[in-house]
Amino acid sequence: KAGVTQTPRYLIKTRGQQVTLSCSPISGHRSVSWYQQTPGQGLQFLFEYFSETQRNKGNFPGRFSGRQFSNSRSEMNVSTLELGDSALYLCASRKTESYNEQFFGPGTRLTVL
Amino acid sequence: QQQVKQSPQSLIVQKGGISIINCAYENTAFDYFPWYQQFPGKGPALLIAIRPDVSEKKEGRFTISFNKSAKQFSLHIMDSQPGDSATYFCAATGATDSWGKLQFGAGTQVVVTP
Repeated sequence: KAGVTQTPRYLIKTRGQQVTLSCSPISGHRSVSWYQQTPGQGLQFLFEYFSETQRNKGNFPGRFSGRQFSNSRSEMNVSTLELGDSALYLCASRKTESYNEQFFGPGTRLTVL
Repeated sequence: QQQVKQSPQSLIVQKGGISIINCAYENTAFDYFPWYQQFPGKGPALLIAIRPDVSEKKEGRFTISFNKSAKQFSLHIMDSQPGDSATYFCAATGATDSWGKLQFGAGTQVVVTP
């Protein structure tokens, strides 16, 4: 069974631009969570989607948004990029709401210049 | 405010030795405690997890010890191997919030010397 896939793997943007990252969960998994990983702040929860609905949101500004499609694939968008948005963005999937194991993808490395 | 505190920040252990990583939490609503292993350039991989109704769980060379009253849990890596050199993260979450929202510790970089 294929794991969680994320595209693109690497991205370079400049300040003020916007970016869209994509995540395909494990087949049959309906929940997708997004995390930001930086050396300074560690792993921080961004948001979670289940059945196309946002279930939970972390403490990030409104520039960070996401959505989930009917096939459970998810995208996150960051608008008006700042230097501090440079990070590894990780997506994780779970089978259902009552299933607690989360499986992570390889991440998208975003660099903001 | 970090809800899960992890220590040490790094540790060096000889091949065959035991690596011990500790975590503490405050939120009593947490009811699921996974450990993740991350290699450079990779996403975190689920290693082992525990629920608070058991005090210990063992899978191969990896053991979680859980102390509910002290709100602490730890990972023991027995017979450490060079291939275990990685960063380890403890995490916690609870059904009342969402199991999809993991609160992570800061991570421990483990180096196993030959």
